[in-house]
Amino acid sequence: DVVMTQSPLSLSVTLGQPASISCRSSQSLVHSDGNTYLNWFQQRPGQSPRRLIYKVSNRDSGVPDRFSGSGSGTDFTLKISRVEAEDVGVYYCMQGTHWPPWTFGQGTKVEI
Amino acid sequence: QVQLVESGGGVVQPGGSLRLSCAASGFTFSNYGMHWFRQAPGKGLEWVAFIWFDGHNTNYTDSVKGRFTGSRDNSKNALYLQMNSLGAEDTAFYYCVRGAYCSGGNCVPPFGYWGQGTLVTVSP
Repeated sequence: DVVMTQSPLSLSVTLGQPASISCRSSQSLVHSDGNTYLNWFQQRPGQSPRRLIYKVSNRDSGVPDRFSGSGSGTDFTLKISRVEAEDVGVYYCMQGTHWPPWTFGQGTKVEI
Repeated sequence: QVQLVESGGGVVQPGGSLRLSCAASGFTFSNYGMHWFRQAPGKGLEWVAFIWFDGHNTNYTDSVKGRFTGSRDNSKNALYLQMNSLGAEDTAFYYCVRGAYCSGGNCVPPFGYWGQGTLVTVSP
């Protein structure tokens, strides 16, 4: 199984400042079809997870452009250019290249 | 709009059984593979099961193989998870999640829609 490792596990940020979360996989997430199936999810307190980013860098509809995803191979990053109060929650990376199983990182708790 | 509504959670004794349901609407259910994910209270996310679009194939995480069975009724736009031999480690919120759909070389990526979750508590 692919192990996903996030860092940091907790992040205290100042409103308006940038934030960055790292996600590393135990093996390359490049699929034989050439795509890299790395997703980022946000889970606000008391809510279901919400996909923010798919295939490394594709932002979902309705996701503010202050969120961006980047990376390749085994190293990936989610960046928030200017943190807002509504960004508080837990962020997860998840790989969908080598399945089953689909596997998540441990989650990164973002607080203000 | 896409909606996924889970039901069937509750309190069950160790060794007991429970059947979860997920009612889907707002999309052509029979075109999509569907997943079950779970999250123990205060813990991270875990994939549980994948039910292929036609229901003829399924995949499970190792810890539930032989105990959980995923199924679907495309005529009712419904997804199910039959859970047997439940243990404390199965206590979690269970989420129904839409998978991918590919046609003509174009794919709708998976995991874009999640239900609100249903809580399963395994306790004596």
